[in-house]
Amino acid sequence: AAGVIQSPRHLIKEKRETATLKCYPIPRHDTVYWYQQGPGQDPQFLISFYEKMQSDKGSIPDRFSAQQFSDYHSELNMSSLELGDSALYFCASSSQGQGQGNEQFFGPGTRLTVL
Amino acid sequence: QKEVEQDPGPLSVPEGAIVSLNCTYSNSAFQYFMWYRQYSRKGPELLMYTYSSGNKEDGRFTAQVDKSSKYISLFIRDSQPSDSATYLCAMSVSSGTYKYIFGTGTRLKVLA
Repeated sequence: AAGVIQSPRHLIKEKRETATLKCYPIPRHDTVYWYQQGPGQDPQFLISFYEKMQSDKGSIPDRFSAQQFSDYHSELNMSSLELGDSALYFCASSSQGQGQGNEQFFGPGTRLTVL
Repeated sequence: QKEVEQDPGPLSVPEGAIVSLNCTYSNSAFQYFMWYRQYSRKGPELLMYTYSSGNKEDGRFTAQVDKSSKYISLFIRDSQPSDSATYLCAMSVSSGTYKYIFGTGTRLKVLA
């Protein structure tokens, strides 16, 4: 079965640079969620989109922005990177179709290292 | 205090043992309860998805929810070395597009 695809899998940036992370949800899933997981930490919710509209916002810094496109893929844009942004960034997707729960299926993550 | 508390472990058990993993929570609005398994440097894999109180069984895995005590458990029967991973509980106040709140995860090691 198709899963959530994230790219790139690994990314190394320097402080104050920008980064763009991409997420391709499971086919026919209409909701995308972004989470940040620091070393030894639990995933922290950043932001979510349903049908291309922002549906919820968590602890996402103002330096970060995200959007969902017409093909339902999503991009997380991160600017003025700081050392503390080094983490695993997960994308999850779910379907809000009739009879569906909100089971969120996670991608493999993008490991961002800021030097 | 975090909304969801989970013993970080590590928890080491011999192969074939029954494993009990637990989470407590403070937000009585949580209605949906999930367990994920995460191998090192991989994405969380959904194991169990339950609604409200009660038990749910899937193969060697049983999830229990006690909303009156704000306590959830995951039991793994006949544990295998391949079960060695970090187990994360997650909760949500509703279905739909609601975010998940995660516990910190329990590291489990099943010894052959």
